[in-house]
Amino acid sequence: AQSVAQPEDQVNVAEGNPLTVKCTYSVSGNPYLFWYVQYPNRGLQFLLKYITGDNLVKGSYGFEAEFNKSQTSFHLKKPSALVSDSALYFCAVRDWGFGNEKLTFGTGTRLTIIP
Amino acid sequence: DGGITQSPKYLFRKEGQNVTLSCEQNLNHDAMYWYRQDPGQGLRLIYYSQIVNDFQKGDIAEGYSVSREKKESFPLTVTSAQKNPTAFYLCASSIDKGRGYGQETQYFGPGTRLLVL
Repeated sequence: AQSVAQPEDQVNVAEGNPLTVKCTYSVSGNPYLFWYVQYPNRGLQFLLKYITGDNLVKGSYGFEAEFNKSQTSFHLKKPSALVSDSALYFCAVRDWGFGNEKLTFGTGTRLTIIP
Repeated sequence: DGGITQSPKYLFRKEGQNVTLSCEQNLNHDAMYWYRQDPGQGLRLIYYSQIVNDFQKGDIAEGYSVSREKKESFPLTVTSAQKNPTAFYLCASSIDKGRGYGQETQYFGPGTRLLVL
């Protein structure tokens, strides 16, 4: 079974400071990991994904995420937060394997950037 | 949201009524998905389809039905059997290279908010 946890419901960061949104996962095989962002009353927008290779993945809007296999984590980061980064962020995981087409989402972390 | 459209943006359902949510994509994607989003619960998979005329139940399929008669379209019907339908419904699509591949990105539509009168 695959699962993903986002341990923080809410993260507040001052504008210009670095931000981190945490995600841990559980799979039986190798994971495919995704980050999405959702603005109010909108669909999810894809930010980045980890498939294989370099543990540091760069994505849209200056975001990046670090895959850590030993800690089963995939935290989302940005060096300098903008007020426009305020949104709901979702981590998702899919366990590699034949017949597994499902993507499992975390419960989301609301990021608020304080001016 | 580009390439995937959902309509209507808001939908009101009366008790005992079936309602249908539309999802259309022009991305030539093989796979399509329906999710339900409730506050604090993330996204939960209702149904998905990897090919025309075929679909599978997700984690919360009870009270819902779907069809996949065209590659571009994957409508979701919320039946009267769904006792708590108030939620934000999201449609997504992805390229499907076949079983064993799981790395394809799912792209989402703008969503439909369903409210009960």
